[in-house]
Amino acid sequence: AQSVTQPDIHITVSEGASLELRCNYSYGATPYLFWYVQSPGQGLQLLLKYFSGDTLVQGIKGFEAEFKRSQSSFNLRKPSVHWRDAAEYFCAVGAHRDDKIIFGKGTRLHILP
Amino acid sequence: DGGITQSPKYLFRKEGQNVTLSCEQNLNHDAMYWYRQDPGQGLRLIYYSQIVNDFQKGDIAEGYSVSREKKESFPLTVTSAQKNPTAFYLCASSMSLSGANVLTFGAGSRLTVL
Repeated sequence: AQSVTQPDIHITVSEGASLELRCNYSYGATPYLFWYVQSPGQGLQLLLKYFSGDTLVQGIKGFEAEFKRSQSSFNLRKPSVHWRDAAEYFCAVGAHRDDKIIFGKGTRLHILP
Repeated sequence: DGGITQSPKYLFRKEGQNVTLSCEQNLNHDAMYWYRQDPGQGLRLIYYSQIVNDFQKGDIAEGYSVSREKKESFPLTVTSAQKNPTAFYLCASSMSLSGANVLTFGAGSRLTVL
């Protein structure tokens, strides 16, 4: 069965610092991988997705993620965070033959001024 | 602009009452979903639908019901059988029912049981 693990429930970084949010997945075949962001009291918005090809994918708002098959990881990165990046981030995994997308439990990002 | 509209944004309910949350999309998407979100729990799938007049139970369907009479609409009823209904409810849609599809989410409905 598919599963997604986000090991960090909360992460705090200073504004301007770099960021890496971890995501590990479990699936037998090549998965489809997603990162979504949720501002407080709002729905989720897609940041980026990986289906195939280049393992480094670029997304919106200056985010990128790297698919590492050997580590079953899809970590999200940003070189320099802004206070507007404070939100909850969800990693998700899907598969071609499955009809559901599985979400991780989320990582809440806090930004120090 | 295309998108998903959920209403109401906030809803209060007394114990023992059924409530219905509305979800409408104008994206011409075939698949629609309802998720429940609790702090620290991530998103849990309640029901999903691929086509009109057809829907499937997700991981936590007990105490909930849905209908899909129109392609654009997928209302969720939280029944009195749901033991702990206070939560944030998210509706989503995608072009089709596939793990490869990007989900588009509504802004959510927060239900509080008094």
